[in-house]
Amino acid sequence: KAGVTQTPRYLIKTRGQQVTLSCSPISGHRSVSWYQQTPGQGLQFLFEYFSETQRNKGNFPGRFSGRQFSNSRSEMNVSTLELGDSALYLCASTRTGASYEQYFGPGTRLTVT
Amino acid sequence: TQLLEQSPQFLSIQEGENLTVYCNSSSVFSSLQWYRQEPGEGPVLLVTVVTGGEVKKLKRLTFQFGDARKDSSLHITAAQPGDTGLYLCAGYANAGGTSYGKLTFGQGTILTVHP
Repeated sequence: KAGVTQTPRYLIKTRGQQVTLSCSPISGHRSVSWYQQTPGQGLQFLFEYFSETQRNKGNFPGRFSGRQFSNSRSEMNVSTLELGDSALYLCASTRTGASYEQYFGPGTRLTVT
Repeated sequence: TQLLEQSPQFLSIQEGENLTVYCNSSSVFSSLQWYRQEPGEGPVLLVTVVTGGEVKKLKRLTFQFGDARKDSSLHITAAQPGDTGLYLCAGYANAGGTSYGKLTFGQGTILTVHP
């Protein structure tokens, strides 16, 4: 099976702009989670989508949003970018069950200048 | 709010030495995963432990889940330079709505193994 794919791998944006990141989960996985990783805060949970519905959301401002399509692919959007949004954004595809294993994509490195 | 305290934060050792990384919480987790991450890449799943007291081995790596499912450890025997990387523990709480899709991560251990 192909792994989780994320596009683009790298992005450079200016403060005030908006950005859209894309994630394709492992085939058959219907749950997609997004995380932000920074050196200071580590991995922080953004939100989770299952069958096109957001089921859970972390403590991030409303500028961070997402959606999921019928084929389970997901996008996240960050509007009005701030310097502090510079981070590695990771998407994870979940195999549900007792072990609840998450498989991560390579991430999108976002730099806001 | 669930927290996972991971220690040590940094570990620098010589090839051939043994090491242990700890992951502790006051909360119970229904499962706990260990990941390894290379710079600029996503975390790669090493193992998942589910049952209290469970021990899993992956070549020179031994993972243990505490009896109360609140803590875990990763032990590496005879470390090699190829083991260098960031090691992360992550727990899943299975507590209904607020836990859907959410792993709680430790801060990570940066391991450097010198030849």
